[in-house]
Amino acid sequence: NAGVTQTPKFQVLKTGQSMTLQCAQDMNHEYMSWYRQDPGMGLRLIHYSVGAGITDQGEVPNGYNVSRSTTEDFPLRLLSAAPSQTSVYFCASSQRTGGANVLTFGAGSRLTVL
Amino acid sequence: GESVGLHLPTLSVQEGDNSIINCAYSNSASDYFIWYKQESGKGPQFIIDIRSNMDKRQGQRVTVLLNKTVKHLSLQIAATQPGDSAVYFCAERRVTGGGNKLTFGTGTQLKVEL
Repeated sequence: NAGVTQTPKFQVLKTGQSMTLQCAQDMNHEYMSWYRQDPGMGLRLIHYSVGAGITDQGEVPNGYNVSRSTTEDFPLRLLSAAPSQTSVYFCASSQRTGGANVLTFGAGSRLTVL
Repeated sequence: GESVGLHLPTLSVQEGDNSIINCAYSNSASDYFIWYKQESGKGPQFIIDIRSNMDKRQGQRVTVLLNKTVKHLSLQIAATQPGDSAVYFCAERRVTGGGNKLTFGTGTQLKVEL
């Protein structure tokens, strides 16, 4: 049981480049989300999804796109990377109801934008 | 406004002592409060949660206390061990039309001294 798998673990981009952070979970969780973690600012919600075909914005959605075509996958796209998007990104999933507090996090993807 | 904050950014304790990590919140509408532990280089991991209608909840070596009068949450770790060294985040959960949304605090670094 792999849990939440994020790829890549590390990425360096130049300003203006695009890329996709991949996230996959094998727990049949309905809820998936993306957070970014910056020093002194904790975890901030970027986008989330309560099921396949449904996505919504979180606290800091600008500059990011998501889609949820399957229950398992929730990719995060940066269309035109900016230095302000340098951060560590975490994907997390949970059951939608009941144990919804128990977010299972991936190991993180460290992104540097030059 | 809504905020989840921590009183101390760093807490140092001797091995074997009890640790108390504090958190203040301002959103009375939150229905759950949750503690996560993040070890270096890893994603956050669920520790324990408490429903807003409870004052205390105990787990294995951990106790969470909720004081709704002063909007204060604390995590107590008994007999702190070196493996407890990590950053601890409190989070509050609110139920929205789009599902459960967690807002994280900025984190407290717990250092266990031998």
